[in-house]
Amino acid sequence: RKEVEQDPGPFNVPEGATVAFNCTYSNSASQSFFWYRQDCRKEPKLLMSVYSSGNEDGRFTAQLNRASQYISLLIRDSKLSDSATYLCVVNGVTIDFGNEKLTFGTGTRLTIIP
Amino acid sequence: GAGVSQTPSNKVTEKGKYVELRCDPISGHTALYWYRQSLGQGPEFLIYFQGTGAADDSGLPNDRFFAVRPEGSVSTLKIQRTERGDSAVYLCASSVSGVGGEETQYFGPGTRLLVL
Repeated sequence: RKEVEQDPGPFNVPEGATVAFNCTYSNSASQSFFWYRQDCRKEPKLLMSVYSSGNEDGRFTAQLNRASQYISLLIRDSKLSDSATYLCVVNGVTIDFGNEKLTFGTGTRLTIIP
Repeated sequence: GAGVSQTPSNKVTEKGKYVELRCDPISGHTALYWYRQSLGQGPEFLIYFQGTGAADDSGLPNDRFFAVRPEGSVSTLKIQRTERGDSAVYLCASSVSGVGGEETQYFGPGTRLLVL
């Protein structure tokens, strides 16, 4: 089983729609959680961190369920510029000093259709 | 300010050759990371530096891969006797201290390596 699993898509969604991505992780000791965005042939960039209390940044809402080891991302009122690959990311299997590697899912490809 | 830079942006080599990939982190960032991304996959961790020392090299696939960061800034990833399976995008990232788990890792544009 992969450490971080996500549906690779593609998701083709009309402009203005709401789209949700889900992700599961296997290691219950994981400490920190993120969504990264990656445009075609570009580097990944942090979209937002994910907290148990849920957090919102404009049209984007992220949620973490530690009991189910499940992470979600919701995009409301989708824009053409939201077209990208969204990577679910988990960090810190242990809390030892210096163990800060990120574990990425395969990414979910999103295309917003005009 | 300047972000993470990587050179070369593209590298084509022949099977069996030696390659070096360079990463210049954001100035002042103590932590530096190397990842490898194959087509259709997410980045996979290779090695993490805390200053000059490799704090975690558990992701290096075999002993053909080696990385250094002699002065705690620029890092070089070295691949000996390249194989076609080494073809991928090699991404470098840096963060301020590498401690705490919540820090943002800033990625460079990557080096696209193609082994013929």
